[in-house]
Amino acid sequence: DAGVTQSPTHLIKTRGQQVTLRCSPISGHKSVSWYQQVLGQGPQFIFQYYEKEERGRGNFPDRFSARQFPNYSSELNVNALLLGDSALYLCASSLVLGNNGANVLTFGAGSRLTVL
Amino acid sequence: RKEVEQDPGPFNVPEGATVAFNCTYSNSASQSFFWYRQDCRKEPKLLMSVYSSGNEDGRFTAQLNRASQYISLLIRDSKLSDSATYLCVVYPNDYKLSFGAGTTVTVRA
Repeated sequence: DAGVTQSPTHLIKTRGQQVTLRCSPISGHKSVSWYQQVLGQGPQFIFQYYEKEERGRGNFPDRFSARQFPNYSSELNVNALLLGDSALYLCASSLVLGNNGANVLTFGAGSRLTVL
Repeated sequence: RKEVEQDPGPFNVPEGATVAFNCTYSNSASQSFFWYRQDCRKEPKLLMSVYSSGNEDGRFTAQLNRASQYISLLIRDSKLSDSATYLCVVYPNDYKLSFGAGTTVTVRA
């Protein structure tokens, strides 16, 4: 079975541009979440979606937006890119939503964004 | 105060040694705890969940201390392949995981 797949794997943008990152969850998983990981730090929560609805949002500006499609895949959009947006963007999927020790996340390999 | 704090290390240990490190969390209502492993420039992967009574998985032992609000990870008989960054993960609520910044472990031959 395919794991969580993300695209593109690497991309370079310039300040002010916009970027769209894509994520396909594990088959059967209905929850997708997005994280930003800056070098040397742990992943920071951006969004969580479940059954196509936003269920949680982290402390990120409105330049960050996301959505989940009927097939449970997801997109993360970042507008007006800043140098500080350079990071590894991780997508994770899980079966359901919930604070449950059995409901673990599986991460994709990430999209590495460089903003020049 | 950060939601999750870890000693960044690095912990440099010889093969066969035991290494242990902690992670503290600020939200006393947190219910679920995990250790994830992250290799350089790779995605995090689940190492083990942490249960209230403590749990073992081979050479790895995880403990939870709710009174002092910390979890720990102990690695026995370290292998070269254990070299990685270990991320402490806490569920403070239903919708958001909080990650620590990670503890780097380097096992030398």
